Amino acid sequence: DVKVTQSSRYLVKRTGEKVFLECVQDMDHENMFWYRQDPGLGLRLIYFSYDVKMKEKGDIPEGYSVSREKKERFSLILESASTNQTSMYLCASSLIDTQYFGPGTRLTVL
Amino acid sequence: GIQVEQSPPDLILQEGANSTLRCNFSDSVNNLQWFHQNPWGQLINLFYIPSGTKQNGRLSATTVATERYSLLYISSSQTTDSGVYFCAAVYGGATNKLIFGTGTLLAVQP
Repeated sequence: DVKVTQSSRYLVKRTGEKVFLECVQDMDHENMFWYRQDPGLGLRLIYFSYDVKMKEKGDIPEGYSVSREKKERFSLILESASTNQTSMYLCASSLIDTQYFGPGTRLTVL
Repeated sequence: GIQVEQSPPDLILQEGANSTLRCNFSDSVNNLQWFHQNPWGQLINLFYIPSGTKQNGRLSATTVATERYSLLYISSSQTTDSGVYFCAAVYGGATNKLIFGTGTLLAVQP
C-alpha cells in the first residue's frame, strides 16, 4: 500500500512565525503536491513538484514556498504565517495517474 | 481554466437508501477521480475513471466524457459512508494535476 505521512496532525503557530510542514511518501513517486482545504472552496493546489529540486506554482502559491531535496520528501514553508493561512493542509503523491493523500495537517495561526 | 461542479452540496440519507452524486466539468480532461473524505479528514481514492463504468462493492461510477459529467452511485448506504465526496478533474499531462469540485457532504443516519 502507498503510504503518505505528514509531520503533524495539528499545529498552532503565531502570526509572523516561520512554519514548516513535512510530507514523506514511501512509493518512489515522481510527483508530489501540496493543497489547502477550506470550507466551501474544496481543495486548492498550492505547489507541486515533478522531480527532485523541481517545483511549479499551483493556483494559490502566494505566501508559500516549497522544498524538495530528496525524492520522498516535499516540504511546504510559510515564511511568515498569517491568520488567513489557517487551514487544513493536505499532501499527495502520484506516479502516473492516481494521487494518494496524507492524513492532513490542521494549522491554526493565532 | 477548468471548472468542476458537484451536486447536491448536501445530502441526508437513511441507512439502506441509494443515492447518486453528480460531477460536471467544463472542458475536456485527461481523467476523473472520485474521493471520499472521512470524518477524520483522510482522503481515500474511490475511482479513477476517464470513461465508462466501474464498480467496487456498493459503489459504482460512470463517466461520460463526451458530455462532461460523472456520476457516483452509492447503494444500500451505511453510516460509515458519511463524509464528503469529491470529484477531481485530472489535467496537466504527465504531472496529473487535479482540479477539485467543492464536494458533496453526505450524512447517513441510522
